[in-house]
Amino acid sequence: GAVVSQHPSRVICKSGTSVKIECRSLDFQATTMFWYRQFPKKSLMLMATSNEGSKATYEQGVEKDKFLINHASLTLSTLTVTSAHPEDSSFYICSARDVAGGTGELFFGEGSRLTVL
Amino acid sequence: QKEVEQNSGPLSVPEGAIASLNCTYSDRVSQSFFWYRQYSGKSPELIMSIYSNGDKEDGRFTAQLNKASQYVSLLIRDSQPSDSATYLCAVFQAGTALIFGKGTTLSVSS
Repeated sequence: GAVVSQHPSRVICKSGTSVKIECRSLDFQATTMFWYRQFPKKSLMLMATSNEGSKATYEQGVEKDKFLINHASLTLSTLTVTSAHPEDSSFYICSARDVAGGTGELFFGEGSRLTVL
Repeated sequence: QKEVEQNSGPLSVPEGAIASLNCTYSDRVSQSFFWYRQYSGKSPELIMSIYSNGDKEDGRFTAQLNKASQYVSLLIRDSQPSDSATYLCAVFQAGTALIFGKGTTLSVSS
């Protein structure tokens, strides 16, 4: 299957700092990427849909000024958690859908575990 | 509101038994259906996809889809301890994001 790479896999930061997470589709082009968040023992929650060349679409309750998403190319989307706080500690997972893949299959990155001290 | 419902479990089966995981969805125009497996601390991995009514088999896994009943299931034959994980049902409709259920935790005991 298609490969989605996410970096970094783990990050620990101090409260108040910003953290950037990268998501790359390695062998296909993705006009749309999705960012999910998962708290321990909870389900995947869609945070936002990242659209190449345009603004991201955020789900209800997700602060767009706190979670900045940039999708500058067909293979790269970034999520920046600004002024991170301990409650932002979570597992962030990106996913992408092949432009040619009309079946809807999503390919997931490995996930990034953020710990805010 | 589109919804995907799964029994959270845990579902416990002995090694070698058949594990049956169920999922219902609310949106009748859903087109594609997926089962993902997620180990603790890892991201989901796709194990089965199904697009039309009936059964689809892949090794020890069989996905079953009944669009009239808005029901999709996953059967795991000859369950192994390594199958212990959370199984996520996901539903797709063109133009939308994939909608996930909350997942069913499967525990296979040796």
